[in-house]
Amino acid sequence: EIVLTQSPGTLSLSPGERATLSCRASQSVSSSYLAWYQQKPGQAPRLLIYGASSRATGIPDRFSGSGSGTDFTLTISRLEPEDFAVYYCQQYGSSPPDTFGQGTKLEIK
Amino acid sequence: QVTLRESGPALVKPTQTLTLTCTFSGFSLSTSGMCVSWIRQPPGKALEWLARIDWDDDKYYSTSLKTRLTISKDTSKNQVVLTMTNMDPVDTATYYCARFLYTSYYMDVWGKGTTVTVSS
Repeated sequence: EIVLTQSPGTLSLSPGERATLSCRASQSVSSSYLAWYQQKPGQAPRLLIYGASSRATGIPDRFSGSGSGTDFTLTISRLEPEDFAVYYCQQYGSSPPDTFGQGTKLEIK
Repeated sequence: QVTLRESGPALVKPTQTLTLTCTFSGFSLSTSGMCVSWIRQPPGKALEWLARIDWDDDKYYSTSLKTRLTISKDTSKNQVVLTMTNMDPVDTATYYCARFLYTSYYMDVWGKGTTVTVSS
């Protein structure tokens, strides 16, 4: 089973700053199979990025994804107040199918 | 518009079996590439993937929970049912269902979730 490790666990930044979130896989993951989700308190997760770098419908262009193999990154270029949330990476696998990272909490400094 | 809604008991006793239903609209589970996944989230903790059922009735389960889980679909009712046996207080969580697109490998629409507490 592929394990996804996200770092840091908590990231404290101010609005307007740049955020860089990491997701490392225990073995190589196809870029096509890597997605990022945002979750705000009391809400269901929302798809942000799929295929490692493609933005989902309606996602602002300040969100970008990159990476390949075992190292993937979610970057938020300029933080808006509504971006403070928990972010999860997720991979689709064939056996067993899916796993999530443990999440990165992005909090206001 | 694609929507999903989870339903089931809010409270179950230890050792009981939990049955959750995901009722969806806006797509058909008989369409190639359509799948429904279940994910849970204990209070204050991370998301945990549980199971998935595909349009062709293929089923997949979490390695750690597969002996306790059963997923099924009723295409005519647009429903997916997840059962989890031998419930324990550690299974207390919010349970989500989500549409998974097999051609794109992501969950694009999620239900709001249903909270299940396991307590005697």
